[in-house]
Amino acid sequence: DAGVTQSPTHLIKTRGQHVTLRCSPISGHKSVSWYQQVLGQGPQFIFQYYEKEERGRGNFPDRFSARQFPNYSSELNVNALLLGDSALYLCASSSMNNSPLHFGNGTRLTVT
Amino acid sequence: AQSVTQPDIHITVSEGASLELRCNYSYGATPYLFWYVQSPGQGLQLLLKYFSGDTLVQGIKGFEAEFKRSQSSFNLRKPSVHWSDAAEYFCAVGARNTDKLIFGTGTRLQVFP
Repeated sequence: DAGVTQSPTHLIKTRGQHVTLRCSPISGHKSVSWYQQVLGQGPQFIFQYYEKEERGRGNFPDRFSARQFPNYSSELNVNALLLGDSALYLCASSSMNNSPLHFGNGTRLTVT
Repeated sequence: AQSVTQPDIHITVSEGASLELRCNYSYGATPYLFWYVQSPGQGLQLLLKYFSGDTLVQGIKGFEAEFKRSQSSFNLRKPSVHWSDAAEYFCAVGARNTDKLIFGTGTRLQVFP
């Protein structure tokens, strides 16, 4: 079975630009979460979506937004990019009901 | 405040030696505890989890962890380390019915032959 897939794997953007990251969950998983991992730190929770509704939001500015589609895939959007947005963005999926998160390999975003 | 502390930033062990990685948490509700491993350029792989019941949990790759409520700890152990265990290890805490996890800053494990 395919795991959580994320695209693109790497991305370079300029300050002020906008970026869209994509995630496909494991088949059957209805919950998708997004995490930001800055170099040398642990992942930080950004969003959780379940059945296309936002279930949780971390301490991130409104420049960050996300959505989930009917097939449970998800997009993370970041507007007005800052240098500090450079990080590995991880997507994770689960079937909820206290099942563990399964992570993708991430999208490495570099903002110059 | 909810937090996870991994006091050891970097640990070096010889292959075949035993390993213990420390994790302390602060969490208001009943904690669900996890250990994940991350190899360079990769996502996170779940090693083991604790929800309830037996406080000693077994995971993959020969790892185990012990939940000690009185010490707010969830330390990861392995009796004999292999060179392939070299990676970054993250402890995380969460709650029931949410995928929001709070991660520690990680411990980098280096294994010498």
